[in-house]
Amino acid sequence: AQKITQTQPGMFVQEKEAVTLDCTYDTSDQSYGLFWYKQPSSGEMIFLIYQGSYDEQNATEGRYSLNFQKARKSANLVISASQLGDSAMYFCAMRENTGFQKLVFGTGTRLLVSP
Amino acid sequence: EPEVTQTPSHQVTQMGQEVILRCVPISNHLYFYWYRQILGQKVEFLVSFYNNEISEKSEIFDDQFSVERPDGSNFTLKIRSTKLEDSAMYFCASSLSQGAFGYTFGSGTRLTVV
Repeated sequence: AQKITQTQPGMFVQEKEAVTLDCTYDTSDQSYGLFWYKQPSSGEMIFLIYQGSYDEQNATEGRYSLNFQKARKSANLVISASQLGDSAMYFCAMRENTGFQKLVFGTGTRLLVSP
Repeated sequence: EPEVTQTPSHQVTQMGQEVILRCVPISNHLYFYWYRQILGQKVEFLVSFYNNEISEKSEIFDDQFSVERPDGSNFTLKIRSTKLEDSAMYFCASSLSQGAFGYTFGSGTRLTVV
């Protein structure tokens, strides 16, 4: 069975600094996708970045990058130049590319950016 | 940019009442999902729907739950007799096809059972 582990319940970072949010996963499938979502206090799920298991390069989207280490089964999110608006809950999720592709989520990390 | 629309954004209902949560997925998407997030907890898969039938469901999705796509655009989640523990945020999501990474969530319906 798929499993996502986020070991950091909360993280603090100062504005303009970089921060890494950890995510490890467990799957027996060779083909899968990894997602990061941001959930602000308003509750919606905002897609940030995606990494496919066969992608050779780490995904990047603006200030977000995904440090994908396949052998270690980790997919850490790096946010560069943190902004106050980055304060939110962050969820790592995995989708196996078989079946009907439900997402399995981690427990989330609450990020607080201070001035 | 296309989006998944959920209504209502917040619903309060009495225990034992039936509720219907509504979603309009992105028009050319083929796979539809409902997820649940109890306050402060992680997001959990409830059910997936493809080709007008349930393709997969979790243990949470018991006989009290049902889904429908009645008219080719709406996708609904019905809870037949709500319990206090059904209080949660319910997210609808849709995706275009297997293998595509596009997976779009709606903004959620916050259900409060009193």
